[in-house]
Amino acid sequence: AQRVTQPEKLLSVFKGAPVELKCNYSYSGSPELFWYVQYSRQRLQLLLRHISRESIKGFTADLNKGETSFHLKKPFAQEEDSAMYYCALRISSGSARQLTFGSGTQLTVLP
Amino acid sequence: GAVVSQHPSRVICKSGTSVKIECRSLDFQATTMFWYRQFPKQSLMLMATSNEGSKATYEQGVEKDKFLINHASLTLSTLTVTSAHPEDSSFYICSASFSGTGGYGYTFGSGTRLTVV
Repeated sequence: AQRVTQPEKLLSVFKGAPVELKCNYSYSGSPELFWYVQYSRQRLQLLLRHISRESIKGFTADLNKGETSFHLKKPFAQEEDSAMYYCALRISSGSARQLTFGSGTQLTVLP
Repeated sequence: GAVVSQHPSRVICKSGTSVKIECRSLDFQATTMFWYRQFPKQSLMLMATSNEGSKATYEQGVEKDKFLINHASLTLSTLTVTSAHPEDSSFYICSASFSGTGGYGYTFGSGTRLTVV
């Protein structure tokens, strides 16, 4: 079965410092990876997905199939980046194509 | 676009009663909807997947008779917690998949905080 691991429950960095939120996955097939963000008192929303190869709000994430990782990075963290971040995996087989979420990382950017 | 509206946002009910949570897609047709449960400081755990017009597919360990899911139309899915008990207190979130010119994606409701007393 597929699994998503986010080893850090809490992560604090100072404003302007680089930040990396780790995500590892286990899945035997071809995965689709996502990062979702949940700001305080708001609903979960998509941040980015690997197939788009995009940079959103300064964040990037590269799928490394060799290391089965999809770490989220930003070179200069901002206070407004403080939020809960979830890595998610969508398997390509089956009709439902539901998402499997990691346990989340609470990022706090200190002033 | 692709907005999902979830109601109620909070509900308190007495033990033994039933509670219905609604999830509506406002500007698209949601063929597939997902129901998640989230415990404090934990991740979203998928409970079931519902497809319009057919029976829901429940994840292992989720009681079908306790968590009734109905997806009778392309814009509405409901989750009914039957004979609720305090251990059912949790945060329930619905999600819908969508596809469009920008590709596919998932959109989430704002969640329902259920407290059973």
